[in-house]
Amino acid sequence: DIVMTQSPVSLPVTPGEPASISCRSSQSLLHSNGNNYLDWYLQKPGQSPQLLIYLGSIRASGVPDRFSGSESGTDFTLKISRVEAEDVGVYYCMQGLQTPITFGQGTRLEIK
Amino acid sequence: EVQLVESGGGLVQPGGSQRLSCAASGFTFKSYWMNWVRQAPGKGLEWVANIKQDGSTKQYVDSVKGRFTISRDNAENSLYLQMNSLSAEDTAVYYCVRLYSGGFDIWGQGAMVTVSS
Repeated sequence: DIVMTQSPVSLPVTPGEPASISCRSSQSLLHSNGNNYLDWYLQKPGQSPQLLIYLGSIRASGVPDRFSGSESGTDFTLKISRVEAEDVGVYYCMQGLQTPITFGQGTRLEIK
Repeated sequence: EVQLVESGGGLVQPGGSQRLSCAASGFTFKSYWMNWVRQAPGKGLEWVANIKQDGSTKQYVDSVKGRFTISRDNAENSLYLQMNSLSAEDTAVYYCVRLYSGGFDIWGQGAMVTVSS
């Protein structure tokens, strides 16, 4: 199974400041079609998860452009350029290259 | 509106069975792979199973193989998860999820399954 390792576990951020979450996969997530099958999700308190980024760097529909995803080998990063209060919750990375599909353990973003 | 609505959750005794349903609306259900993802109380997300558009391919996480069965009825725009031999470790919120272009883009509100005597 592909293991997804996120850091940090907890991320306190001041509104307006940037934030960054890292995710490392135990194997390459690169498909033969040239895409990395890595997604980012946000689960806001009391809600179902929502898709933020798919295929490593593509923002999902309706996601603000302050969210961005980047890729470097087996290292992936979610960046928020300026954190807003509505961004609080748990962020998960997920690999969809092979089954079992696996998630990172989550990063809890909180507002200072 | 694109929507997934789960039903069938509840309290079940250890060793018992439960069937979850997911009603899809607002999109062409038969065109998408569908998934079940679960979340134990206070824990992270765990993928459980998926099924191809025509139902010909089904895949499961090892912990549920032989106990859970995913199925779909494209005529009824519905996804199902039959869960047998349930244990406390299966206690979780179960989400019905659509796969689109490599991402889980639509999630249901979740159905809580509690396994307890």
